[in-house]
Amino acid sequence: GQQLNQSPQSMFIQEGEDVSMNCTSSSIFNTWLWYKQEPGEGPVLLIALYKAGELTSNGRLTAQFGITRKDSFLNISASIPSDVGIYFCAGQPVTDKLIFGTGTRLQVFP
Amino acid sequence: DTGVSQDPRHKITKRGQNVTFRCDPISEHNRLYWYRQTLGQGPEFLTYFQNEAQLEKSRLLSDRFSAERPKGSFSTLEIQRTEQGDSAMYLCASVQGRDTQYFGPGTRLTVL
Repeated sequence: GQQLNQSPQSMFIQEGEDVSMNCTSSSIFNTWLWYKQEPGEGPVLLIALYKAGELTSNGRLTAQFGITRKDSFLNISASIPSDVGIYFCAGQPVTDKLIFGTGTRLQVFP
Repeated sequence: DTGVSQDPRHKITKRGQNVTFRCDPISEHNRLYWYRQTLGQGPEFLTYFQNEAQLEKSRLLSDRFSAERPKGSFSTLEIQRTEQGDSAMYLCASVQGRDTQYFGPGTRLTVL
């Protein structure tokens, strides 16, 4: 099945550092979503983006919907240990099904 | 807790057996989606329902897979004659209107 290109694949950072990850697609999407998934659980929605160029924040998280509608990025500022997990981007074309990225595994060391 | 529940959370079965999973969406949500997630990958779309109508099926959904949503509320996903390649996390998500999809905790299937 189709998966979006997400980078980096994994990150190992120290508590307090900022994190940036991005997602690119060959297709245009109407909506970009960012989810976090912890082991043995389903993805949990972090941020939803609905318009090209939109910049949205949720606490320490900031995400942007790329102008071309083919990319998005997620920033996490001042990381803490509970930020550990796998972060997935997802693009939503007109038909509503989500197309997910390959994931970024984040590890935060105290 | 997103309000979407799935049962069972874990299922171990032998190759060739049939398995059935259940998803209970958020009560007012009219659309329900099934995804499959293999280790190290993002979820991949399998099928979705609007109320009781199954509107789209992925090519990933072979003839051994069948999904139902008989009364437009809960849904079941059945896999017949399971194969080792069916081992994965099966995720359900529900949505109402233009809202975003909320996922359940998933059912992890292991086929021995």
